[in-house]
Amino acid sequence: GIQVEQSPPDLILQEGANSTLRCNFSDSVNNLQWFHQNPWGQLINLFYIPSGTKQNGRLSATTVATERYSLLYISSSQTTDSGVYFCAGANDMRFGAGTRLTVKP
Amino acid sequence: DADVTQTPRNRITKTGKRIMLECSQTKGHDRMYWYRQDPGLGLRLIYYSFDVKDINKGEISDGYSVSRQAQAKFSLSLESAIPNQTALYFCATSDLGGNQPQHFGDGTRLSIL
Repeated sequence: GIQVEQSPPDLILQEGANSTLRCNFSDSVNNLQWFHQNPWGQLINLFYIPSGTKQNGRLSATTVATERYSLLYISSSQTTDSGVYFCAGANDMRFGAGTRLTVKP
Repeated sequence: DADVTQTPRNRITKTGKRIMLECSQTKGHDRMYWYRQDPGLGLRLIYYSFDVKDINKGEISDGYSVSRQAQAKFSLSLESAIPNQTALYFCATSDLGGNQPQHFGDGTRLSIL
């Protein structure tokens, strides 16, 4: 099956900083999604982004399908952004291992 | 996502017991999924269903079975639970018509002693 790699595995930021999370796929996917798992374990769909760029408030995502990667940008980070960010895709929805983000006040 | 409800939220049981986890949704979505999450790892797909008559194995289906009783209901069964099935289980839904974003329930934390 498709392999999904996320980087970095862990990220610690000061409140207000910006960050970029990366997701690489071993093969093409047409349903790439980004999720946030909050400290209580809930999973929230952030973006459905098979290609192109989308923005939602302080978050934006870009997928370059031809090069099999996607980036998630978080600007002016807040403590509520803490948690684990996952990317996923493919017909059998392969997830990466996630990036654990900690935003300190 | 309150539109996807998982029951129970927590369950502790013993090795060898039969367990059923239930998922119901009010989103009107055709597609439903069961995942498990182990500590420090991403989610892995167990089974998925694109409509009431459709059941597909995911990445890790061994030891599990599912039933799609209705469009809104998708249950996961462990016929004879074993300790390495201890995990956090998630149900998700998505709409039909090409690939659509997934929406998750709040999870069921299952411990098998």
